[in-house]
Amino acid sequence: QSALTQPPSASGSPGQSVTISCTGTSSDVGGYYSVSWYQQHPGKAPKLMIYEVTKRPSGVPDRFSGSKSGNTASLTVSGLQVEDEADYYCSSYAGSNNPAVFGGGTKMTVL
Amino acid sequence: QLQLQESGPGLVKPSETLSLTCSVSGDSISSSDYYWAWVRQPPGKGLEWIGTIYYPGSTYYNPSLMSRVTISVDTSKNQFSLRLTSVTAADTAVYFCARPPSYSPRSFFFDHWGQGTLVTVSP
Repeated sequence: QSALTQPPSASGSPGQSVTISCTGTSSDVGGYYSVSWYQQHPGKAPKLMIYEVTKRPSGVPDRFSGSKSGNTASLTVSGLQVEDEADYYCSSYAGSNNPAVFGGGTKMTVL
Repeated sequence: QLQLQESGPGLVKPSETLSLTCSVSGDSISSSDYYWAWVRQPPGKGLEWIGTIYYPGSTYYNPSLMSRVTISVDTSKNQFSLRLTSVTAADTAVYFCARPPSYSPRSFFFDHWGQGTLVTVSP
């Protein structure tokens, strides 16, 4: 059982926008401005896509955006492309006793 | 350019100790200001943070694994290591070593990852 809850799947057609949610508690997502998102293609290491809720690392397309409201964070992928088909994981700081918790992952399918 | 490379046995027997090493090139563990981490992923499942070390001595562990985990640094080899005792089939996973980005060196999100190594726990 993952600490953060994500939908198991999401899908969209090329060009559409898709949003993935990540629900936690006031002890993690809601308590800190430290949510990150990763993209993982099969057999590959995760890639950091968003950090500190809304920030994009250099090289990540601006089609990827993050937000947070209360205990739920969201990743939105706009202008969906075929190469966006991957698994996506959220993560949050959850205090000094358990600094990094992950969501169970969402499989994004580009129809 | 930072590179991380995991190494260690691919097969461990139940009740024994899993030992992995992450070799670091392109940075010095002893002189940099970074956290260094281990993350694992059971086959077909999600990511799980195992623990993080900050040289020379601070460690942070996942509470669910704390009683079985030790992360340490070997500065002479520029490596950091993971020991997980009393393993069971539930510890079968791809194990990644990872490092945070330069703009947030002591954080718990990661932009540098090793390729991962599969460790199977089986008799």
